[in-house]
Amino acid sequence: DQQVKQNSPSLSVQEGRISILNCDYTNSMFDYFLWYKKYPAEGPTFLISISSIKDKNEDGRFTVFLNKSAKHLSLHIVPSQPGDSAVYFCAASGDTGNQFYFGTGTSLTVIP
Amino acid sequence: DAGITQSPRYKITETGRQVTLMCHQTWSHSYMFWYRQDLGHGLRLIYYSAAADITDKGEVPDGYVVSRSKTENFPLTLESATRSQTSVYFCASSESSAIVGEQYFGPGTRLTVT
Repeated sequence: DQQVKQNSPSLSVQEGRISILNCDYTNSMFDYFLWYKKYPAEGPTFLISISSIKDKNEDGRFTVFLNKSAKHLSLHIVPSQPGDSAVYFCAASGDTGNQFYFGTGTSLTVIP
Repeated sequence: DAGITQSPRYKITETGRQVTLMCHQTWSHSYMFWYRQDLGHGLRLIYYSAAADITDKGEVPDGYVVSRSKTENFPLTLESATRSQTSVYFCASSESSAIVGEQYFGPGTRLTVT
């Protein structure tokens, strides 16, 4: 059963606007969350992370928000750029310590 | 070259054959991981290793075997390949445990089992 879910397989956004990617999880023991970005024919690359002691973490144009009570996290990209077009995976860890559980990914297209 | 590499990048094999996917990292990271990526499932952990000679199962270990005799190498073997093992396989490494460490991924191996 999928413990980390990304319910939107795809998202299209105009260049310069905000992109919001969502992720839900079911395991309340998860306490560390990451976002990865993946271009075609490449491996995922780390983007940003957040631990459960925080509700927000920022890194340049990227901000991750965590709502523990709702078991929900989101990635905001502002402003969106065409180079941001990629598949974004959220991942969670914490219950077993050495395993990350990944979502199914959201394909973001930023339209110039 | 520095980083994490996988070989081969593409592989076609027949059902029942044994196939080994190679992974090599140059950072001396303690942790290494094998994932498979399938439509509708995202990335799922097959096996991981916390150090040389220490391996453990992930979410989907059945049909796979790993070994780690050297820190820098983490081969994944499909002992008798099945069509359901057609997938893209990613190797990753990290210098600390999954809780606090980001993972660095290789470019992937696309495996087709006919």
